[in-house]
Amino acid sequence: GNSVTQMEGPVTLSEEAFLTINCTYTATGYPSLFWYVQYPGEGLQLLLKATKADDKGSNKGFEATYRKETTSFHLEKGSVQVSDSAVYFCALSEGGINTDKLIFGTGTRLQVFP
Amino acid sequence: SQTIHQWPATLVQPVGSPLSLECTVEGTSNPNLYWYRQAAGRGLQLLFYSVGIGQISSEVPQNLSASRPQDRQFILSSKKLLLSDSGFYLCAWSHREMLGFLRAFFGQGTRLTVV
Repeated sequence: GNSVTQMEGPVTLSEEAFLTINCTYTATGYPSLFWYVQYPGEGLQLLLKATKADDKGSNKGFEATYRKETTSFHLEKGSVQVSDSAVYFCALSEGGINTDKLIFGTGTRLQVFP
Repeated sequence: SQTIHQWPATLVQPVGSPLSLECTVEGTSNPNLYWYRQAAGRGLQLLFYSVGIGQISSEVPQNLSASRPQDRQFILSSKKLLLSDSGFYLCAWSHREMLGFLRAFFGQGTRLTVV
């Protein structure tokens, strides 16, 4: 079935460093792709999305591009802050109106130190 | 605005006891509903999802069941808990945004410890 694979964490960075969290997916059709973030003590929330190939999702300085040829949706940020410390989940949605479901990766913990 | 309520926040239950976790959504109609289990190193495992009343899809064989007695109510149950049922359970709902993509909103979760 469809699945999402993320790089294992934790990822530890100094403030202002460049961030990449890798995500690849397996899907039979044309899924939408997402990054969700879980800040300490909070629930999951949508960070960004891309609904078709070559789309770039962006929010709060984070970006990810839907690459169909490499089945990837890597998350990047040019300069991380301590406040970006959280767990990041890559996800995909598959199916039509009657089979909507969201499949998540294992999550990658990001720790940013001053 | 839409909100999702999940309770209880924490629960300690003995092995063999029944379980009922409840999730309700307000401010929307006919949402897709989901139960996930979050475990360290395993991310969010989709357990059940529902696209309508009485429609339940199970993703993994397990000791749990789900029901949707009302449009905005989703219940996770077990007749007899196992130690392996311990974990953090998340309820979520989703709808299709105007641009067509599926957007999910999560509850605060229930920490279940089976002893």
